[in-house]
Amino acid sequence: GAVVSQHPSWVICKSGTSVKIECRSLDFQATTMFWYRQFPKQSLMLMATSNEGSKATYEQGVEKDKFLINHASLTLSTLTVTSAHPEDSSFYICSARNRETQYFGPGTRLLVL
Amino acid sequence: DAKTTQPNSMESNEEEPVHLPCNHSTISGTDYIHWYRQLPSQGPEYVIHGLTSNVNNRMASLAIAEDRKSSTLILHRATLRDAAVYYCILTKGNEKLTFGTGTRLTIIP
Repeated sequence: GAVVSQHPSWVICKSGTSVKIECRSLDFQATTMFWYRQFPKQSLMLMATSNEGSKATYEQGVEKDKFLINHASLTLSTLTVTSAHPEDSSFYICSARNRETQYFGPGTRLLVL
Repeated sequence: DAKTTQPNSMESNEEEPVHLPCNHSTISGTDYIHWYRQLPSQGPEYVIHGLTSNVNNRMASLAIAEDRKSSTLILHRATLRDAAVYYCILTKGNEKLTFGTGTRLTIIP
C-alpha cells in the first residue's frame, strides 16, 4: 500500500506555544489530504480536508484560525496548532488519498503542559 | 451519509478464522465499502475495499451480500498482531471517511 509519514511522532510543548506537524505522501502524489484528531478511547474525528493549492475545508466546530493547514505541494501538508492549550493534547493523524482509498500516517501525539 | 453498524467487540482464538460483520442497510449504489483497522497508538491501516463483488487481498477477504446491505471482513488465520479496532466505512470514492466506533477484536492465544 501507499506510504504516508508524519513528523514529529510526538511532541511536548508549553501552553501558548505553536506546534507544526508535517504529513508527507512518500510514494504517490496527493491532491487531497485529511487531518484527524483522536482523544483517548474515542474514534477518529475529521478536522479538515486539505487541498493542494487552495484553502482547507474545516469541519463544523473546528477553529480555522487555531488549526492552520497548508498544502503547498502534492506530497506535503502541514497542520499548525497555534497557541496550544492543554485541551489540545491529542493524537493527530493525517491521511492522503490515492484514487478511492485513503492511506494514513502513523500519527503525532501532542502533549501541552 | 449512509451509516454502518458493527458489534462493539469480538474475540477469536489465534490461528482460527475471524468473521467481522458490518450492516449497512441504507447503502446507496455508489457507496464503496472500506475496511480499516487501527492498532494501539497507530494510525489506521487500510485493509480492503469493494463495491459489489467479493474481494481478496493478502490481508483479508471481503464478502459482500447480494443486496449489499451487509458485508463481512474475513481474516483467514488470526494472529496476535491482528488484535485491533476494525472500522467498516461507506464512502463514495472521493469523499472523506467518517469513522464510527468500530469492532475491537481480541485474539486469544
